[in-house]
Amino acid sequence: DAGVTQSPTHLIKTRGQHVTLRCSPISGHKSVSWYQQVLGQGPQFIFQYYEKEERGRGNFPDRFSARQFPNYSSELNVNALLLGDSALYLCASSPRPGPSTSNTGELFFGEGSRLTVL
Amino acid sequence: GDSVTQMEGPVTLSEEAFLTINCTYTATGYPSLFWYVQYPGEGLQLLLKATKADDKGSNKGFEATYRKETTSFHLEKGSVQVSDSAVYFCALSEVGGSQGNLIFGKGTKLSVKP
Repeated sequence: DAGVTQSPTHLIKTRGQHVTLRCSPISGHKSVSWYQQVLGQGPQFIFQYYEKEERGRGNFPDRFSARQFPNYSSELNVNALLLGDSALYLCASSPRPGPSTSNTGELFFGEGSRLTVL
Repeated sequence: GDSVTQMEGPVTLSEEAFLTINCTYTATGYPSLFWYVQYPGEGLQLLLKATKADDKGSNKGFEATYRKETTSFHLEKGSVQVSDSAVYFCALSEVGGSQGNLIFGKGTKLSVKP
């Protein structure tokens, strides 16, 4: 079975440009989350989408946006790139979102898209 | 807000040594707790989890016990192997929060020498 797939795996952009990252969740998973992992740090939550609706948003500026498509795949868009946006962007899928009083929280991660901003 | 604190790495051990990676958390209520592992060149994978106090998660010889009184979830393994070399992340999922929103620690890099 295919896991979470992300594209592109690596990309280089310059400051001020725009980038679109793509994610296909595991078959049957309807929830997709995006994380930013800066070198040497743990992943930080950016967005969660479920059934094409935003279900959660982390502390990121409005330059970051995302959407989910009817087939549950997702795109993360970042506008007006800054040097500090250089990071590994991770996509994770799960069968369903919370909230839940017994939140198991298991996520299945892709290998990520490594963005370098020059 | 909720947070996770892990011991600083890197940690270097010889094969068959005992491993402990400390993790403490700050949270309201009783979050679910996780250890994720990131092998070189691969995505994050769930290693083990515990969803309530005193639960013990275990997998591949690794164990961690959810200690409410000390707000800790330390990862242990009795005898590490070279193949355990990876970065380990402690994480929590807020009670009532979005299932997709995990709060991660900074990660601890483990290197096991033969």
